[in-house]
Formats: sequence, structure tokens, C-alpha cells
Amino acid sequence: EVQLVESGGGLVKPGGSLRLSCAASGFTFSNAWMTWVRQAPGKGLEWVGRIKTKTDGGTAEYAAPVKGRFTISRDDAKNTLYLEMDSLKTEDTAVYYCTSTLCCWGQGTLVTVSS
Amino acid sequence: EIVLTQSPGTLSLSPGERATLSCRASQSVSSRYLAWYQQKPGQAPRLLIYDASSRATGIPDRFSGSGSGTDFTLTISRLEPEDFAVYYCQQYGSSPWTFGQGTKVEIK
Repeated sequence: EVQLVESGGGLVKPGGSLRLSCAASGFTFSNAWMTWVRQAPGKGLEWVGRIKTKTDGGTAEYAAPVKGRFTISRDDAKNTLYLEMDSLKTEDTAVYYCTSTLCCWGQGTLVTVSS
Repeated sequence: EIVLTQSPGTLSLSPGERATLSCRASQSVSSRYLAWYQQKPGQAPRLLIYDASSRATGIPDRFSGSGSGTDFTLTISRLEPEDFAVYYCQQYGSSPWTFGQGTKVEIK
């Protein structure tokens, strides 16, 4: 069974940083393109970015609102996906979901950016 | 960036009725790389359809997807009580990948 478990969310002040992790199991993580999606309270889904497999180049791409502030990385040895978030803004407040592209989603972790 | 516009915003139907949801793209979606997701309150989204018309594993055949280019449709042939939810389309043919704003299917 595919499992994706996010962690690392919490309350952070504007301008602060946070690192989210996503532990994957039940599939070959190194073969999967992985994606982060967020959902602000009461709003729709917003694509944050995705990272290719190392075989496909291992590159990451980002949505415009987070480009230059967020970094996606992966550790295939640990079956873990990361989202490093810097210079956080109040509008980054959302539930952040880790997804194995075109398959499965984690339960999400809440990030609140507030003073 | 490809903008996806879903319509209607809300669909009020009764169990047993047919639901037709639309997703229109601002530019052609490459290789029919369009997916549909279902989200219920307090839950993560679930993949229903990928590549415009392929059902994901375990998805009942009352869900079907069609379309190409800029116009795509999700059809639920006969609504079951568990189908009342919010539905999102997503294109993954060109970066940045984007979602539509969602269609809520509610009980009439």
C-alpha cells in the first residue's frame, strides 16, 4: 500500500523558514516524480512544484508565487521528499500535500505564517 | 501558464442523476495530459482520471473523462451518495502544472 506521510508543519513568523518532509513507502520512490500541492484554508488546490527522478535529470520546477523562495529536494536512499520554504509570507498559509505524481497523496501538514 | 476554468462552480443534483463537469484550458493541453481529482471535506484529494480518459486504479466505471485540446469533461453517469464532493481538473502537459478552481457537486 502506498503511504505518504508529511511532517514539519507549524506556526512560523513572516520572513521565517520551515522544512517539510514526506516519508514515502509502498512503492519505488526513486522511480517516481514527486509533487507538492498546497491548499489555503477554504480555497482550491495550488500546485507548488515537482521534482523529477534522478534518471530523468532530478530537476525541480516551481510555481511563480514560490519560485526563488522554496526548494524541493529528494533523498532516494531515505525514501523522503523535502520542501524547504524560506522568506515565508502570510499568503503561504496552507495545508501542504506531498503527492506521487498521478497517484497518491499524503494527509497534508498545516503551515501557518503569522506574527 | 495554462489557466484552467471549471464550470459550473456548483452543480446541484440528486442521487441517480448524471453529472457533467467542464474544464476549459486557455491553451491546448499537450498530449491530453489532464487529470481529475475528487476531494471530500477534511480529506486529501483522490485521483480519478489521468491522461484525460484513463481511470485510476479502483475508480468505479461510473466516472469517465473525455476531451482534448482545450475542452475536457468529467462525467459521473449516476451519482451515488458518496460522489457529492469537490472536483478539480489539473493539467500536467506544460510547466507550471495548474489546477482549475473546482466544481462542487452538492445534493439537491
